[in-house]
Amino acid sequence: ILNVEQSPQSLHVQEGDSTNFTCSFPSSNFYALHWYRWETAKSPEALFVMTLNGDEKKKGRISATLNTKEGYSYLYIKGSQPEDSATYLCAQTSGYSTLTFGKGTMLLVSP
Amino acid sequence: GAVVSQHPSWVICKSGTSVKIECRSLDFQATTMFWYRQFPKQSLMLMATSNEGSKATYEQGVEKDKFLINHASLTLSTLTVTSAHPEDSSFYICSARETGKIELFFGEGSRLTVL
Repeated sequence: ILNVEQSPQSLHVQEGDSTNFTCSFPSSNFYALHWYRWETAKSPEALFVMTLNGDEKKKGRISATLNTKEGYSYLYIKGSQPEDSATYLCAQTSGYSTLTFGKGTMLLVSP
Repeated sequence: GAVVSQHPSWVICKSGTSVKIECRSLDFQATTMFWYRQFPKQSLMLMATSNEGSKATYEQGVEKDKFLINHASLTLSTLTVTSAHPEDSSFYICSARETGKIELFFGEGSRLTVL
């Protein structure tokens, strides 16, 4: 059974601050790492899917890195805005199979 | 991006009744759909994998006779919670994968409360 851990559990920052979260996962039998952004009452929105060690992906002010050898991924948000407030989920898949999710990091950005 | 629609968003029912939740992929065909459940402050936990035209695969500890899954077409999967009890109260969410691709798209989720 995969065990995906996310930290911190929650985070409260001021508008304009940059922030980052961590996702840890078992490095054995790795296939892909997914990041989702989940706003209340909406569907989780896919941010990134990463498969290769050393992968770095960017979408606007949000970027992510992947280290499959040591089993972690970082998600960075540069210059946080109130609209970035959401729960950020990471999930791992081993093989072409289902996702195992972490508990998420809840981000609150105050104006 | 692809859209997955799930409804109802909220449902309240009496103990002993059955509740059906629908998950539809609106603009793509999904050979495989997944059903998750989330209890407060817990991770999304996979309940079952739904494959079009065949029986669902249930995760360990999930009763297949209680959580009936039907995936009759490439765009629709349903989850029926049979003889619901208060302990079945939870947040249920589906996801769908377009055939041949990695990325999953999620529905909005359904909050079930059993009185």
